[in-house]
Amino acid sequence: QVQLQESGPGLVKPSETLSLTCTVSGDSVSSDSYYWSWIRQSPGKGLEWIGYIYYSGSTNYNPSLKSRVTISVDTSKNQFSLKLSSVTAADTAVYYCARDRGAATTFDYWGQGTLVTVSS
Amino acid sequence: DIQMTQSPSSLSASVGARVSITCRASQSISTYLNWYQQKPGKAPKLLIYAASSLQSGVPSRFSGSGSGTDFTLTISSLQPEDFATYYCQESHSTPPITFGHGTRLEIK
Repeated sequence: QVQLQESGPGLVKPSETLSLTCTVSGDSVSSDSYYWSWIRQSPGKGLEWIGYIYYSGSTNYNPSLKSRVTISVDTSKNQFSLKLSSVTAADTAVYYCARDRGAATTFDYWGQGTLVTVSS
Repeated sequence: DIQMTQSPSSLSASVGARVSITCRASQSISTYLNWYQQKPGKAPKLLIYAASSLQSGVPSRFSGSGSGTDFTLTISSLQPEDFATYYCQESHSTPPITFGHGTRLEIK
């Protein structure tokens, strides 16, 4: 059974960098069959795709966030990570990691989500 | 960016009813359309992919149809566990992937 679990601070100060990690079990982030994505959900903007990483390290980001986002993968730990810099209150959201079946982006497994609040 | 418009934004229906939710894309996306169900405090769950293919483990009362710009999710006979929020998601263009704003299905 594929499982994903997000971890990281629940509170980040404005202008600082949000950092989250997704630990995958039951599958390998080294698989060439899938992409690994971050998605967030806030009351004001609904579900917003942040970006994905492929096992090779290739990434693709939402243009609206591209200047502030970095997604990386650690195959030795079977994890992938999100960094979002220069955060503001608008970045307050529940952050999900998800497995994407690729080809036609389809999120078939999701983490439970983690709430990140940006506040001083 | 492709815009996804769902309607209605909310819907009340009774157990056993047949309901349909629509999603319209701002440009043709062929059948690159997925549907998800989300319950409060939970992550979205994939129901339908490629417009009409049922995800493994999803009850057959859920079905999807459409192509181009207009799509429909139908629940043939509502069960108590189906009351949730439903989202469409286009997978035609990357980046960015976009979701609809959701349809909240409530018990009448």
